[in-house]
Amino acid sequence: EVQLVESGGGLVQPGGSLRLSCAASGFTFSSYWMSWVRQAPGKGLEWVANIKQDGSDKNYVDSVKGRFTISRDNAKNSLYLQMNSLRAEDTAVYYCAREYSLAHWGQGTLVTVSS
Amino acid sequence: DIQMTQSPSSLSASVGDRVTITCRASQGIRNDLGWYQQKPGKAPKRLIYAASSLQSGVPSRFSGSGSGTEFTLTISSLQPEDFATYYCLQHNGYSPLTFGGGTKVEIK
Repeated sequence: EVQLVESGGGLVQPGGSLRLSCAASGFTFSSYWMSWVRQAPGKGLEWVANIKQDGSDKNYVDSVKGRFTISRDNAKNSLYLQMNSLRAEDTAVYYCAREYSLAHWGQGTLVTVSS
Repeated sequence: DIQMTQSPSSLSASVGDRVTITCRASQGIRNDLGWYQQKPGKAPKRLIYAASSLQSGVPSRFSGSGSGTEFTLTISSLQPEDFATYYCLQHNGYSPLTFGGGTKVEIK
């Protein structure tokens, strides 16, 4: 069974940093593109970033370019999102998702940016 | 970037009704489209992939159609557990992935 478990969310002040993790199990992690998607409270879904199987290709939505970095460790079956210079508008539930087409999702972790 | 225009943004329907939701892409995306269902406090769940293929385990009352720029999700006979918000997603090539704005299906 595919399992994706996000962690690392919490309350952070504007301008601060946070690192999200996604632990994958039940499939060959190194064979899939992986993504981060977010959802602000009461709002729709927004794709944030994705990364190729070997980490050689990374893509970002314009609003996070230069502030967020996606990475992965295939030996640890883990996906990461380093978030720097956080803003109030980054407040959201962050989901990790498997495959370029976002076939499977984790349960999400809440990030709140507030003073 | 490819924009996805989803309509309607909300609808009220009764159990047993046939429901249709539409997504229009700002440029052709072949069949690189999926449909998702999201219930409050839960992660989205994919129902349809490649525009018209039913995800394993999803009831056959859900169906998808379309190609290019016009796509439709149909629920043939609405069930109580289908009241939720539905999103389309395009994942064409190396354009940023984009979602439709969502359709909230409520009980009439």
